[in-house]
Amino acid sequence: SQQGEEDPQALSIQEGENATMNCSYKTSINNLQWYRQNSGRGLVHLILIRSNEREKHSGRLRVTLDTSKKSSSLLITASRAADTASYFCATVPNEKLTFGTGTRLTIIP
Amino acid sequence: DTGVSQNPRHKITKRGQNVTFRCDPISEHNRLYWYRQTLGQGPEFLTYFQNEAQLEKSRLLSDRFSAERPKGSFSTLEIQRTEQGDSAMYLCASSFGGDRGPKLFFGSGTQLSVL
Repeated sequence: SQQGEEDPQALSIQEGENATMNCSYKTSINNLQWYRQNSGRGLVHLILIRSNEREKHSGRLRVTLDTSKKSSSLLITASRAADTASYFCATVPNEKLTFGTGTRLTIIP
Repeated sequence: DTGVSQNPRHKITKRGQNVTFRCDPISEHNRLYWYRQTLGQGPEFLTYFQNEAQLEKSRLLSDRFSAERPKGSFSTLEIQRTEQGDSAMYLCASSFGGDRGPKLFFGSGTQLSVL
């Protein structure tokens, strides 16, 4: 079963704009991670935020975590065509990562 | 290339046949995971190993599925008597360490089509 759920399911923006996607989850977590998946490929780890952290940055990525609301957001600034992909949040309710349903991001050149 | 390697990349089989996939993790990684992903969905956990020990199996993993990791190195996932519902991308991932929820490194997956 899916632990997390991303919102929106699909998002299309113009190149250069910022993209924000959200993740809600159900149980308490140790950490939350975001992954990117290009079509037909494996997933690539983007960023990990621990349950005692509220915000984290990595390059053009900014992740926030609100454990009281059981939610996280991923912001991609100054989007590029290469950012077109599916983005998944993954949580750790026990020993293994459980993935959400994903947000399909399309960057329009 | 020192990433996670999966073979084959694509497999087409007829219903009822057996198939086996192989995963070679990053060499120093002690944990190895198998996930299954269908179109438009996120990866679903199947099973994972710490070294050669299989520590957890999902209820999704029927008795037609078996996974091994002899000597704690590469792993194989076998599906017996395949069904059309087994058609999916099978993803392998590896990680290092004993922390809960370590960062995973994924292979490119094996796309299975059951006709």
